[in-house]
Amino acid sequence: AQKITQTQPGMFVQEKEAVTLDCTYDTSDQSYGLFWYKQPSSGEMIFLIYQGSYDEQNATEGRYSLNFQKARKSANLVISASQLGDSAMYFCAMSIAAGNKLTFGGGTRVLVKP
Amino acid sequence: DGGITQSPKYLFRKEGQNVTLSCEQNLNHDAMYWYRQDPGQGLRLIYYSQIVNDFQKGDIAEGYSVSREKKESFPLTVTSAQKNPTAFYLCASSIIGGDTRGDEKLFFGSGTQLSVL
Repeated sequence: AQKITQTQPGMFVQEKEAVTLDCTYDTSDQSYGLFWYKQPSSGEMIFLIYQGSYDEQNATEGRYSLNFQKARKSANLVISASQLGDSAMYFCAMSIAAGNKLTFGGGTRVLVKP
Repeated sequence: DGGITQSPKYLFRKEGQNVTLSCEQNLNHDAMYWYRQDPGQGLRLIYYSQIVNDFQKGDIAEGYSVSREKKESFPLTVTSAQKNPTAFYLCASSIIGGDTRGDEKLFFGSGTQLSVL
């Protein structure tokens, strides 16, 4: 069975600085996808970025980038130039099967300080 | 605007009572999902459906039931057999069979907070 581990329960970051959120995964499948979602205090889940296991380039979406190290089974999210609105819970997730059932990590709470 | 609508936003259940959470989507997505989130934790899959009139159990299906009579709707019933129902429930939908797995990303509703009286 697949597993996602986020070892940082919470972290502070200064406004305008970059922050890296750790995510490691465990699966024996060769084909899988890795996702990051943001959950503000309002509760909805907002898709941020996706990385496929066969993608050779690290994914980027605006201020979000994914540091994908396949051999180490890690998919860390980097948020550049943090903004106050980035304060939220962040979840790493993985899918291995068709139909895209996602397995989620426990999340990291980020608080951006002005 | 297209999206996923969950109702109600807050729901209270008395002991021994069944309650139903509503989830409607107008994104024309084939797949729909129900997740449970406990405070400070990640999401766990309860049930999912890839086609009308068919659904599969997720990791924590005991005490829950679902139906998929229409493509747009995937209601979740929390039965009296679920002894610890207090949680935040999130419904999601996705396409199936995109060009990449990333095309199959989940779109979420705004959630229902269920509490026990």
